[in-house]
Formats: sequence, structure tokens, C-alpha cells
Amino acid sequence: AQKVTQAQTEISVVEKEDVTLDCVYETRDTTYYLFWYKQPPSGELVFLIRRNSFDEQNEISGRYSWNFQKSTSSFNFTITASQVVDSAVYFCALRGQTSYDKVIFGPGTSLSVIP
Amino acid sequence: DTAVSQTPKYLVTQMGNDKSIKCEQNLGHDTMYWYKQDSKKFLKIMFSYNNKELIINETVPNRFSPKSPDKAHLNLHINSLELGDSAVYFCASSQPGQGVTPLHFGNGTRLTVT
Repeated sequence: AQKVTQAQTEISVVEKEDVTLDCVYETRDTTYYLFWYKQPPSGELVFLIRRNSFDEQNEISGRYSWNFQKSTSSFNFTITASQVVDSAVYFCALRGQTSYDKVIFGPGTSLSVIP
Repeated sequence: DTAVSQTPKYLVTQMGNDKSIKCEQNLGHDTMYWYKQDSKKFLKIMFSYNNKELIINETVPNRFSPKSPDKAHLNLHINSLELGDSAVYFCASSQPGQGVTPLHFGNGTRLTVT
């Protein structure tokens, strides 16, 4: 069975602080895909990043960075110098190796950035 | 141009009624999905269609019936609505294959059953 855990239900930080959102996944597949999505208060789901299981390089995009560690089955997301616009619910998701495998979402972490 | 569009955005109806939500994607993707997001924000897959063929059916009550007239459209019909059906329903699409694409979501339909 596949599972995604986001242990942090809610996080509050003051603007300009760095914050890391944790994601731990479970799968028996050797090939799989991990994703992060953002859901701002307006409600839409915005894709942030995809990572393949065979590519363990970390990635940085502006103030966002992702740390993928297969050894600990984790795919953590760090926002540097947080801004109020980062306030949202963030979802980590997992897709197995079969093309038609469903995408399983974690329960989400609600991030509040306080000015 | 909207990539995945679903209508209506809001749907308020009474228990026992039948309602439909429509979804269309112009991305040329072969696979479309319906997800349900409950009041606690949990996102759960309901159905997946690949090129008009049902691929995933996640133990959803048979009051819910998806219909895919072509690979660009996936509609969701709900019979005999119940209070527990109140949620936000998201349509999504992706392209399967070696270069798996992420899910592209519509903006959601907020269904309220009174």
C-alpha cells in the first residue's frame, strides 16, 4: 500500500523566517514520483514540483527548495524568507510506477505566515 | 486559456436531488480524474478515466456516476444527494507514460447539500 504522511498539521511563522514542511512516504514500487502542491486560501491547487525516484538531486527554485532522501523516504520542502503570500495548505503527493496509478495525497500542512 | 475547467463553481442543493458537474481539459491529456476534498482538506481520488475508459474506481457509492464522452471531458453525476456529499470536487488531468506529468487541476466545485 502507498501512503503519504505530513506530520505537521499547522505551522505558523513570522514573515522572513525559514520554514520546512515535512513529507514521509511509503511505497513498495522501485520507480515512483513525488509531488508538492500548494492550495492558497482562494482554493485552487497549484503544482510546485515533481521528483522521480531515480533522481535524488535536491532542487532550488527561488525561495523554495526540496530535499529528497530515499534512505529515509522523505521529500521535505523548505521556504526561505517566508512571505505572507506563502500562507496556504501544502500537499505532498505520491504516484506509483504504473502509469495509471492513482496519485495519493498527504493530509496537508497549513502554513500561516504572520506579518 | 483555461487548461482544466469545471462548472459550476458553486452548487447548493437539497438532499435527494440529482446534480451534475462538468469538466473539460484542453491540454490533450489522455487521463482525467475526479478528486473529493472534504472539510478537513483531505484529498481523495474517486475516479480515473484513460481515453474514455474507467481505470480507477475508488469504492465510491454508486450514486456517483462518472461519464466520459471523449478524452477531453469527464462529467460527474450524483444521484440522491446526501448531506455527507458536501465537499469540494476537483477535476484533474495528466498524461501517463514514461514522462509522467503532474496533475493539472480545475478550480473546484463547492457542493453544499442542505
